[in-house]
Amino acid sequence: KAGVTQTPRYLIKTRGQQVTLSCSPISGHRSVSWYQQTPGQGLQFLFEYFSETQRNKGNFPGRFSGRQFSNSRSEMNVSTLELGDSALYLCASSLSGFMDYGYTFGSGTRLTVV
Amino acid sequence: KQEVTQIPAALSVPEGENLVLNCSFTDSAIYNLQWFRQDPGKGLTSLLLIQSSQREQTSGRLNASLDKSSGRSTLYIAASQPGDSATYLCAVVNDKIIFGKGTRLHILP
Repeated sequence: KAGVTQTPRYLIKTRGQQVTLSCSPISGHRSVSWYQQTPGQGLQFLFEYFSETQRNKGNFPGRFSGRQFSNSRSEMNVSTLELGDSALYLCASSLSGFMDYGYTFGSGTRLTVV
Repeated sequence: KQEVTQIPAALSVPEGENLVLNCSFTDSAIYNLQWFRQDPGKGLTSLLLIQSSQREQTSGRLNASLDKSSGRSTLYIAASQPGDSATYLCAVVNDKIIFGKGTRLHILP
């Protein structure tokens, strides 16, 4: 079965711009969660969507937002990019969330802000 | 506030040795705990998931244990191979999912 697909794989943006990342979960999975990974802070939880509703949120500023569509695909948006937003952004899907059945991660989008 | 610590941050061992990776957490009221591996520049691969009511899980050469009362989990890798070289992360879930910063493992051929 197809895994979790994240697009694009790499992205270079300028400070102040906005960016949208996409995540297509495994078929049948209704929970999609997003994470930011940096060398300094490690892997940090951004938010989780389940059946088009944001169910849980990490400690990130409002510049980070997301949504989930009826087909469970999810997008993450970052507005007014800062240099510190450079990171690997990962999404993960699961059947019901909260790691009940384990999460499957995508390969990530590498965002570089210059 | 839940904090997850993994020690050591890096580890090099000769091929064939058995090894243990450690994960500790400060809040024992967890829902479950999961171990992942991450290869450079890649996403995470789920290895083992331990529900809060369980004490251990096994998959092939991997065995993970969970002691909620002491706030500790260990990942035991038997007969290590060069292909086991990766970063290993543990994550705990209560109302949020919190990751440790990982142990970077290098198996020496």
